[in-house]
Amino acid sequence: NAGVMQNPRHLVRRRGQEARLRCSPMKGHSHVYWYRQLPEEGLKFMVYLQKENIIDESGMPKERFSAEFPKEGPSILRIQQVVRGDSAAYFCASSPDSLNEQFFGPGTRLTVL
Amino acid sequence: GENVEQHPSTLSVQEGDSAVIKCTYSDSASNYFPWYKQELGKGPQLIIDIRSNVGEKKDQRIAVTLNKTAKHFSLHITETQPEDSAVYFCAASRPSARQLTFGSGTQLTVLP
Repeated sequence: NAGVMQNPRHLVRRRGQEARLRCSPMKGHSHVYWYRQLPEEGLKFMVYLQKENIIDESGMPKERFSAEFPKEGPSILRIQQVVRGDSAAYFCASSPDSLNEQFFGPGTRLTVL
Repeated sequence: GENVEQHPSTLSVQEGDSAVIKCTYSDSASNYFPWYKQELGKGPQLIIDIRSNVGEKKDQRIAVTLNKTAKHFSLHITETQPEDSAVYFCAASRPSARQLTFGSGTQLTVLP
């Protein structure tokens, strides 16, 4: 059973460009979460989605950031007009319907030049 | 909202010794407490978790204890091995919100 997949693993963008991060949850999991990890820090919750619905986006910046989890295909975290402060590791996690356990992917390391 | 504090930030032990990492949480409604191990360049790996209806859970060399009254929980690793070296994170969540609130992490180094 494949784990949570994320791609790309590394992404380099120049200031002002767009970054698109993709996450495929574990098979059978319908809940997806995105977290951000700054260097030497813990993970901070950004957004929680189920298929076609954003359930909780309280941790996501109001501007430039958006997330979706379409009926078909992976979940996408989109960052528009990136700035240097967006440089971080972005992790996706998934969980099945009835349990709290969250299983994390390997992360996407975003570097903004 | 929930706040989770984790101590110590770094911990060095000799191989074979025990390691203990402690976390406190602020929200008395939290009822799920997982622990994750993160190796360099990788995603967090769930190693053990506990729910508020139990006080202790054990899985081989790893155990977690929970004190709901004091709002703290701890990770215990016995007979440590060099491959236990990693950053360990505690987390908490409440029933009404599935998001995890993480502690700041503990860098564990097991010296051979």
